[in-house]
Amino acid sequence: DVKVTQSSRYLVKRTGEKVFLECVQDMDHENMFWYRQDPGLGLRLIYFSYDVKMKEKGDIPEGYSVSREKKERFSLILESASTNQTSMYLCASSLLADTDTQYFGPGTRLTVL
Amino acid sequence: GENVEQHPSTLSVQEGDSAVIKCTYSDSASNYFPWYKQELGKRPQLIIDIRSNVGEKKDQRIAVTLNKTAKHFSLHITETQPEDSAVYFCAGEGSTLGRLYFGRGTQLTVWP
Repeated sequence: DVKVTQSSRYLVKRTGEKVFLECVQDMDHENMFWYRQDPGLGLRLIYFSYDVKMKEKGDIPEGYSVSREKKERFSLILESASTNQTSMYLCASSLLADTDTQYFGPGTRLTVL
Repeated sequence: GENVEQHPSTLSVQEGDSAVIKCTYSDSASNYFPWYKQELGKRPQLIIDIRSNVGEKKDQRIAVTLNKTAKHFSLHITETQPEDSAVYFCAGEGSTLGRLYFGRGTQLTVWP
């Protein structure tokens, strides 16, 4: 059974703080993704990664960076948090071999004050 | 890249009725179209998917149809139940392997 976990369910930060969101998957998946979910806007891709140390920009990468030092772990970094980054952040993973099911983590509700 | 549009944004039905959610896509190279269900407070989960070599796929009360010529696909839920209430997302693969482009979601409410 695929398990994708995220470091926090709820997080409150202040404007200007550096924020780290972590995602870990235990199924040896090559692909990992970070999405942002806002009401009425669906799931918007921030960054994704096909392999260790690889990263690709999604549709809304501005204000974010990512790190993938190990295959099972994908981190999303907000260098200087702003109030418009208040949102639900979802991590997902999938196999590389073919377009395959994406398995989502439980999400992190981030509030930036 | 791919552009997936989803309609309607909200849908209310009476228990036992059918529900249909429609999506269109722009990239003719797309060959994979999954549907995800997200219950309140939970993570999105795959409920059904279809690949371009078939026109229809069924799994109990849910079915998906695909029209590649018109570039649209639909989710059909029959005999709806209150537990079907959730946000449903369609997605298309596009030409970037492994990446999905999601629609904006449909909030389905099934009234008992």
